[in-house]
Amino acid sequence: EIVMTQSPATLSVSPGERATLSCRASQSVSFNLAWYQQKPGQAPILLIYGASTRATGIPARFSGSGSGTEFTLFINSLQSEDFAFYYCQQYNNWPPWTFGQGTKVEIK
Amino acid sequence: QVQLVESGGGVVQPGRSLRLSCAASGFTIRSYAMHWVRQAPGKGLEWAAVIWDDGSNKYYADSVKGRFTISRDNSMNTLYLQMNSLRAEDTAVYYCARDFGHELPDAFDVWGHGTMVTVSS
Repeated sequence: EIVMTQSPATLSVSPGERATLSCRASQSVSFNLAWYQQKPGQAPILLIYGASTRATGIPARFSGSGSGTEFTLFINSLQSEDFAFYYCQQYNNWPPWTFGQGTKVEIK
Repeated sequence: QVQLVESGGGVVQPGRSLRLSCAASGFTIRSYAMHWVRQAPGKGLEWAAVIWDDGSNKYYADSVKGRFTISRDNSMNTLYLQMNSLRAEDTAVYYCARDFGHELPDAFDVWGHGTMVTVSS
C-alpha cells in the first residue's frame, strides 16, 4: 500500500498570501496524483488531477506540480473561500486508492 | 446537472446490516467506475470500495473486505453498498464518487453529499 504523507498538518496564511502544501508518496505514483478541497460539512471537490491539471471550473490561482514521490499544491492570493482542508490522493497503485491525512489551511 | 445523491444511512447496532444507495443523475453510471469513500468524524478520507464500469472488477479496502459488498444497477443508474457485520469503527459519512478514468482509474470528479452511518448500541 502506498502511504501518502501531507505537510504541514495546519497552515496559517493571511488572505492575499500564497499557500504551499506538500504531499509525499511512499513510492513513485508517477503523475497519478489528485488534490481535493473539503469544507466542513461538505463533500470533497476535485481541484487538480494528473499532478498539475486543473479540474473544470477551478480558478487559476490553484496550481499543482511534482511527479514521482513529491508533489505540491500552490494557492496564490488566498481568498476567504479557500480556507478549508486539502487532501492529496494517489491513483497509480491500486487497490487501495490512498489519501493523505489532510492539511488544514486556516486564516492567520 | 451531474449529481450523485446518497441515501440509506442511519443509526444501527453493532453486528447489524445496512444498505446504502447512490442515485446518479445527469450522466449514466454505466460509463464509469464508481467508488465509495468514507470519513469518520473529525478524520480524513478513506477509500472503501470500487466497482468497474461493467461490474467486472470489484476491490475493497482491507478494513471492509468480507463484510461490505459494492454493486450497481446500471438500468436504475444507481450504486449500492451492502454493509454487514457493522462495527463501531465503521461510523462515518459515506460518499459515493465517480472515477472519470475511461481505461484506467483516474481522479474522482463527482462526489455525492454523503450519508451518515452511526454504529452504536
